[in-house]
Amino acid sequence: SAVISQKPSRDICQRGTSLTIQCQVDSQVTMMFWYRQQPGQSLTLIATANQGSEATYESGFVIDKFPISRPNLTFSTLTVSNMSPEDSSIYLCSVAQPGGTGELFFGEGSRLTVL
Amino acid sequence: QKEVEQNSGPLSVPEGAIASLNCTYSDRGSQSFFWYRQYSGKSPELIMFIYSNGDKEDGRFTAQLNKASQYVSLLIRDSQPSDSATYLCASRLVNKFYFGSGTKLNVKP
Repeated sequence: SAVISQKPSRDICQRGTSLTIQCQVDSQVTMMFWYRQQPGQSLTLIATANQGSEATYESGFVIDKFPISRPNLTFSTLTVSNMSPEDSSIYLCSVAQPGGTGELFFGEGSRLTVL
Repeated sequence: QKEVEQNSGPLSVPEGAIASLNCTYSDRGSQSFFWYRQYSGKSPELIMFIYSNGDKEDGRFTAQLNKASQYVSLLIRDSQPSDSATYLCASRLVNKFYFGSGTKLNVKP
């Protein structure tokens, strides 16, 4: 399984500011995803980070609010822009290999609190 | 309709008992299924995955898949207080993963 490092692990942010979360994987992976987990809730897929092209966003998530970069097969960033208290969540980077049976692995998560 | 459905619980079992966690999925094209354990404040940790009908055992854990009924389960034998966590069921359809809402398990000493 891949080792996935995220930073920051947690942060407290002010309303209206933006924060960038970094995700580093110890091996090349084709598929990289960003999930959000709000308090007491399950996982919601924000977007698929595509290497060398624009991310693919799920319904309800837009690039202006959650810009994503993926410059290579081991690294991605997610920015949470113009934050409000509703953005307080755990943001999780996850990776998988293509094919129908490969597992999905998660980073440690980034816990954001917006005041 | 959600792709993956789970009973949110909580499910309470005494220490040493068998805990049975269940989920159903809606898309018959789903190719593989996963169980994750998530402790409070931590990220999900993969416990088991299964993609063939039948049972798959790993230590105290057994995953069961019934594609005809679109049903996946996880049995935890000899439950321990350290098994107390939220268990997430997930399905994979090509290159997308769908998660259930999770079942909270409490194992009482």
